[in-house]
Amino acid sequence: EADIYQTPRYLVIGTGKKITLECSQTMGHDKMYWYQQDPGMELHLIHYSYGVNSTEKGDLSSESTVSRIRTEHFPLTLESARPSHTSQYLCASSASIGPGWDLYEQYFGPGTRLTVT
Amino acid sequence: KNQVEQSPQSLIILEGKNCTLQCNYTVSPFSNLRWYKQDTGRGPVSLTIMTFSENTKSNGRYTATLDADTKQSSLHITASQLSDSASYICVVSDRGSTLGRLYFGRGTQLTVWP
Repeated sequence: EADIYQTPRYLVIGTGKKITLECSQTMGHDKMYWYQQDPGMELHLIHYSYGVNSTEKGDLSSESTVSRIRTEHFPLTLESARPSHTSQYLCASSASIGPGWDLYEQYFGPGTRLTVT
Repeated sequence: KNQVEQSPQSLIILEGKNCTLQCNYTVSPFSNLRWYKQDTGRGPVSLTIMTFSENTKSNGRYTATLDADTKQSSLHITASQLSDSASYICVVSDRGSTLGRLYFGRGTQLTVWP
């Protein structure tokens, strides 16, 4: 089991509220990711980070923002939650497992199930 | 367009039986292929990672195969157990970006009945 944590695990919140989903890892990994997953659908990358002070948007357009002030911490923020943000949010980190930059193992947190009413 | 297609979408088998899950992909240029197991309400956990030169790889009762020429992979589960009930996700990585982007399939939902 990887040492990557997400809080809260479940969140039900009203429209217009600001929320922050927490993600932390104790493995010292530089690369971290946020994915969005709807039931029965594939994971979509919404944000990633190569290291401290590095953040990039992923494939899926998202109104959320992220920050990376510390290696171990990669929080995701929604300034004004809407029902369309209802989804499962998965945080991950990765570490190289062989020669070449493209061979890495990715470790996922347990996810946050967000419901916006 | 880079895509990963999995079949079947769902599968029910009896405990102790074997099963095979399929994955077809169009991702190019290919780097590696992974199989993940995702329990309900949890994050995916890696089962195997195979590079271009690997044809088969085992992890306990899980055996993955890769045919890079036909762009197909399979995951064979032997002597299934109730704890194997989960979604199995095929993921393909490309070499065409600095991120080593991962393309995810929608998964095969496996249910093992006693």
